[in-house]
Amino acid sequence: KAGVTQTPRYLIKTRGQQVTLSCSPISGHRSVSWYQQTPGQGLQFLFEYFSETQRNKGNFPGRFSGRQFSNSRSEMNVSTLELGDSALYLCASSGTLAGHFTDTQYFGPGTRLTVL
Amino acid sequence: KQEVTQIPAALSVPEGENLVLNCSFTDSAIYNLQWFRQDPGKGLTSLLLIQSSQREQTSGRLNASLDKSSGRSTLYIAASQPGDSATYLCAGATTGTASKLTFGTGTRLQVTL
Repeated sequence: KAGVTQTPRYLIKTRGQQVTLSCSPISGHRSVSWYQQTPGQGLQFLFEYFSETQRNKGNFPGRFSGRQFSNSRSEMNVSTLELGDSALYLCASSGTLAGHFTDTQYFGPGTRLTVL
Repeated sequence: KQEVTQIPAALSVPEGENLVLNCSFTDSAIYNLQWFRQDPGKGLTSLLLIQSSQREQTSGRLNASLDKSSGRSTLYIAASQPGDSATYLCAGATTGTASKLTFGTGTRLQVTL
């Protein structure tokens, strides 16, 4: 089975710019969650989308936003980038796999964002 | 608010040794607990998920346990191999927000020849 895919894998931006990251979940999964990983803060939950609706949200400023499309693909956007936004952004999907529902979260390889 | 702690932060063992990684959580309303491994610069690979109604799960050389009353989970790795070297993360989901994982800071494991 195809896993969770994320594009692009690497990004370099400058302060003040905005960026859009994309995540394609495992086929059949309807839940997509986003996480930020930094050396200082570890892995932190950003938000979760299910059936095109934001279902859960973490404690991040409004510069971080997301959306989900009808095919369950998801995008996250970060506006007015700051140096502290440099991180590995991971998305995860969960849901029905081979007819069986599971809570297991399957992660993609991540997008490494560097803000200069 | 769920808080997850992992001890030790780093561990080095010789090949073949059995080992235990520890994970503690504060909110007893835990829905499930998941163990992951992360190789340097890579995403997370799911190892085991334990639902709150379960006591343990096994997959190959891995065994994870969950004790809600004490707020603890352990990951037991039998007969460790150099390929087991990675960072191991535990993450808990609280009832009502099953897809919102709270992660520990991880245990960096090195298995030496």
